[in-house]
Amino acid sequence: DGGITQSPKYLFRKEGQNVTLSCEQNLNHDAMYWYRQDPGQGLRLIYYSQIVNDFQKGDIAEGYSVSREKKESFPLTVTSAQKNPTAFYLCASSILWGVDGYTFGSGTRLTVV
Amino acid sequence: GNSVTQMEGPVTLSEEAFLTINCTYTATGYLSLFWYVQYPGEGLQLLLKATKADDKGSNKGFEATYRKETTSFHLEKGSVQVSDSAVYFCALSANSGGSNYKLTFGKGTLLTVNP
Repeated sequence: DGGITQSPKYLFRKEGQNVTLSCEQNLNHDAMYWYRQDPGQGLRLIYYSQIVNDFQKGDIAEGYSVSREKKESFPLTVTSAQKNPTAFYLCASSILWGVDGYTFGSGTRLTVV
Repeated sequence: GNSVTQMEGPVTLSEEAFLTINCTYTATGYLSLFWYVQYPGEGLQLLLKATKADDKGSNKGFEATYRKETTSFHLEKGSVQVSDSAVYFCALSANSGGSNYKLTFGKGTLLTVNP
């Protein structure tokens, strides 16, 4: 079955460390997205990518980085420059134009210890 | 820019009660409208969608009609169950001849259904 897989489900990071969240899809979708969700809050867009080797900043890109070397993969790195990284991170994908909406992964909960 | 406004939560209902979660939008161009549901600790799942005016999306007893004249896409269910407890997000995709393919989400409405 096609879908979008995020790993790990839970991640703990020490202050000052970079961590990378994985997102893989086998839906043949062109576009991929990363969102951050804080408790009781809506979704905030971090980065998005329409095609391989191209990506754009979203509303809260500072302290994050991404790459899109393959159509299926869109990893997110949370760098030490991100001052408050503890949150729930959601990856999504869609056909271009988003007319069918997004398919979401099950999320990664990142906690700074 | 585009925007989606949902009713503020939380919403608390008894089992078998009628549910309405209001959603209105501001956008131009060709629109698709969506409701997503998020259960605790999980990602968002597409609940239903409508891709043209007066379309009704439906799934699992939930319904929503794309009303262009009132710019609304209210979510309804005739008889809620405890298992419907979740956060509900309204969203839209607006294509106006450019490359605006990103979804615009509302802030979400927490629904709690008590037995």
